[in-house]
Amino acid sequence: GAVVSQHPSWVICKSGTSVKIECRSLDFQATTMFWYRQFPKQSLMLMATSNEGSKATYEQGVEKDKFLINHASLTLSTLTVTSAHPEDSSFYICSARSEGGGNQPQHFGDGTRLSIL
Amino acid sequence: DAKTTQPTSMDCAEGRAANLPCNHSTISGNEYVYWYRQIHSQGPQYIIHGLKNNETNEMASLIITEDRKSSTLILPHATLRDTAVYYCIVKTSGSRLTFGEGTQLTVNP
Repeated sequence: GAVVSQHPSWVICKSGTSVKIECRSLDFQATTMFWYRQFPKQSLMLMATSNEGSKATYEQGVEKDKFLINHASLTLSTLTVTSAHPEDSSFYICSARSEGGGNQPQHFGDGTRLSIL
Repeated sequence: DAKTTQPTSMDCAEGRAANLPCNHSTISGNEYVYWYRQIHSQGPQYIIHGLKNNETNEMASLIITEDRKSSTLILPHATLRDTAVYYCIVKTSGSRLTFGEGTQLTVNP
């Protein structure tokens, strides 16, 4: 149980385009979803927290107009990287926590490797 | 959330128990200890968590000292597939996970 699916797993696109990444909780309802970014040889950095039906909360230094997050249902959150540039190339990982919330663990997707040319 | 300290790297022989330590001396009474691991180029995988009692599941055992200032994750029979970065994270119920540098565990044949 507790499977989180992330799509696509790998994307290459030209500078200036926008890229959408989907995160789905397959067998549970996720009140809260999280988006992380990981650069090579570094740890995961939290970008934002989203709650279903409300605006996402962004971490300091993360541009909310560049990284658009939508959490329209209890099983789906999307991250759109707008006008992507080479410095946005990274490994993006989502996670979800069940409605039980509280001390329930977060479960992670397998990540999306984004390369901007 | 309390800060954790983990060794940068550890080695373990295949088939032996891997004991990964974590210090969290500033942990407060309502903070849980969580363990995750990340195999190269994959998303983190939840392993186990606990508050003050020892916990065991199909993957591992979590031993928390009585004063809760440290804990040990035990993989009873390590395999090559257990090679990963292991993260010990302390947080309160409902707060978000913040990842440190973790411990690179290498299981050797």
